[in-house]
Amino acid sequence: DAGVTQSPTHLIKTRGQHVTLRCSPISGHKSVSWYQQVLGQGPQFIFQYYEKEERGRGNFPDRFSARQFPNYSSELNVNALLLGDSALYLCASSLDGTGTFEQYFGPGTRLTVT
Amino acid sequence: RKEVEQDPGPFNVPEGATVAFNCTYSNSASQSFFWYRQDCRKEPKLLMSVYSSGNEDGRFTAQLNRASQYISLLIRDSKLSDSATYLCVVNAADSGYALNFGKGTSLLVTP
Repeated sequence: DAGVTQSPTHLIKTRGQHVTLRCSPISGHKSVSWYQQVLGQGPQFIFQYYEKEERGRGNFPDRFSARQFPNYSSELNVNALLLGDSALYLCASSLDGTGTFEQYFGPGTRLTVT
Repeated sequence: RKEVEQDPGPFNVPEGATVAFNCTYSNSASQSFFWYRQDCRKEPKLLMSVYSSGNEDGRFTAQLNRASQYISLLIRDSKLSDSATYLCVVNAADSGYALNFGKGTSLLVTP
């Protein structure tokens, strides 16, 4: 079975630009979460979606937005990029949004903002 | 104060050694507990869930003490392939079921 997939794998953007990152969860999983990991830190929670609805939001500015589609795939959008947005962006999928089931991570998108 | 705190590390141990990682969490509403392993520049991979009664998976043993809000991971007979960063992870219902990660503890197993 395919695991969580993310695209693109690497991305270089300039300050002020916007970016869209994509994620496809494991087949049968209905919940997708997004995390940001900067070097030397653990992942930080950005959003969780379940059945196309936002179930949780971390402490990130409104420049960050996300959505989930009917096929449970998801997009993370970041506007007005800052140098500090450079990080590994991880998508995780789980069966549902209750926290009962484990979350499985995709390989991530490495974003560099110059 | 961070919600999840781990030993700062790094831990350098010889092959065959036993090593223990500790973790504390601050949210008493935490419901689910995990250890993830992360190799350099890769995604975190679930190592094991942690249950109240403690649980074992081969060379790995996890313990949870809810009263002290403390989680541990014991690795016996360390292998070179165990070298990685180990992330303590806690999930709390009152935070939107988000996973809260510790900063991670780096383990290097040497020949």
